[in-house]
Amino acid sequence: GEDVEQSLFLSVREGDSSVINCTYTDSSSTYLYWYKQEPGAGLQLLTYIFSNMDMKQDQRLTVLLNKKDKHLSLRIADTQTGDSAIYFCAERLPGSTLGRLYFGRGTQLTVWP
Amino acid sequence: DGGITQSPKYLFRKEGQNVTLSCEQNLNHDAMYWYRQDPGQGLRLIYYSQIVNDFQKGDIAEGYSVSREKKESFPLTVTSAQKNPTAFYLCASTPGQGWETQYFGPGTRLLVL
Repeated sequence: GEDVEQSLFLSVREGDSSVINCTYTDSSSTYLYWYKQEPGAGLQLLTYIFSNMDMKQDQRLTVLLNKKDKHLSLRIADTQTGDSAIYFCAERLPGSTLGRLYFGRGTQLTVWP
Repeated sequence: DGGITQSPKYLFRKEGQNVTLSCEQNLNHDAMYWYRQDPGQGLRLIYYSQIVNDFQKGDIAEGYSVSREKKESFPLTVTSAQKNPTAFYLCASTPGQGWETQYFGPGTRLLVL
């Protein structure tokens, strides 16, 4: 649970799709989360997925989970300049301390007009 | 209007001085957390508390102390033993049940004079 990996940077043009990737190490993870952090602010929950699901869609956001490869991705459709932020993935392990999460280092998404 | 508040937004520490960061929540959550965020390093857990009058060290507790005298409050003291305190500090809370994840405050930026 301590080695959640993300690439550090992603740049896209406005209107394109963004795909942010994450790998996690514990195959018994229960819930996996995506958070967004704007400059100088706290983290805002975007979406989550339970480990027995393959996909979850919520408006412009699509989460894909590949349990075999322990790979999680967040796709943002029609990316806007307001989507520029740091995106964190996090995992919650079964039986872990009440609500404890393990975070990746965050992916800085830059959207160019 | 429920949420998590942190104060102050900016805090300056002189050499050898202890400073205390405030975190208050009115969400009736049992568990509370303190994280430190440095650029490119993601979130690292300092301390967490599952219940009033009980708390545990996280991954980087050295140089920090906490108390949990009330359910809604979880202050963090950065002591003079913390040699590199400049960072962004985030407080979070969670009811810890089901999918419920952590909810974050807006953060406090600590700078050393």
